[in-house]
Amino acid sequence: GNSVTQMEGPVTLSEEAFLTINCTYTATGYPSLFWYVQYPGEGLQLLLKATKADDKGSNKGFEATYRKETTSFHLEKGSVQVSDSAVYFCALISNTGFQKLVFGTGTRLLVSP
Amino acid sequence: GAVVSQHPSWVICKSGTSVKIECRSLDFQATTMFWYRQFPKQSLMLMATSNEGSKATYEQGVEKDKFLINHASLTLSTLTVTSAHPEDSSFYICSARDRTGPYTGELFFGEGSRLTVL
Repeated sequence: GNSVTQMEGPVTLSEEAFLTINCTYTATGYPSLFWYVQYPGEGLQLLLKATKADDKGSNKGFEATYRKETTSFHLEKGSVQVSDSAVYFCALISNTGFQKLVFGTGTRLLVSP
Repeated sequence: GAVVSQHPSWVICKSGTSVKIECRSLDFQATTMFWYRQFPKQSLMLMATSNEGSKATYEQGVEKDKFLINHASLTLSTLTVTSAHPEDSSFYICSARDRTGPYTGELFFGEGSRLTVL
């Protein structure tokens, strides 16, 4: 079945450091890929998405490129801020069969001043 | 963007009682809503898919008699945890799909409801 694998956290960085959170997936067909973010005490929010191979999703300085050859959708940001501290979830939704959103386990990011 | 609201945001109840959690889409119509359960330091586990006007579809291992889901209108779905026990304590999150416009795969999430059963 479909699945998403994320790097384990927490990821601890200093402000202005470069961020990479790895995400790989297994899916049939051509899934759409998402990154959701959960700030402390809040629900999930869509951060960015990509719907086909080689698409790059971007938002708030975060980027992720849909790599079909490596089945990956790694999240990157050039310079993190303290306010980026949150849990980040990689997710996919298949374009075949019943379309359920499948999440990775989440990666907690802690950014210190 | 579309807004989904959950209520209550937190609830404490005694073991054996039932608790109802509401999920509302505030500015769009949602034919499909999803209920998730989130354990500490773990991902969201899909519990069930709720379609307006029909019975919910439960994921394997989720007790349908324990977690009653009703989706009576295009803007409201409810999750009732019946005869709650301490092991039901968790963070429950709903999400909704906007029925209008092209399907993008995006879901809109509520803020979550933290249930603590004493």
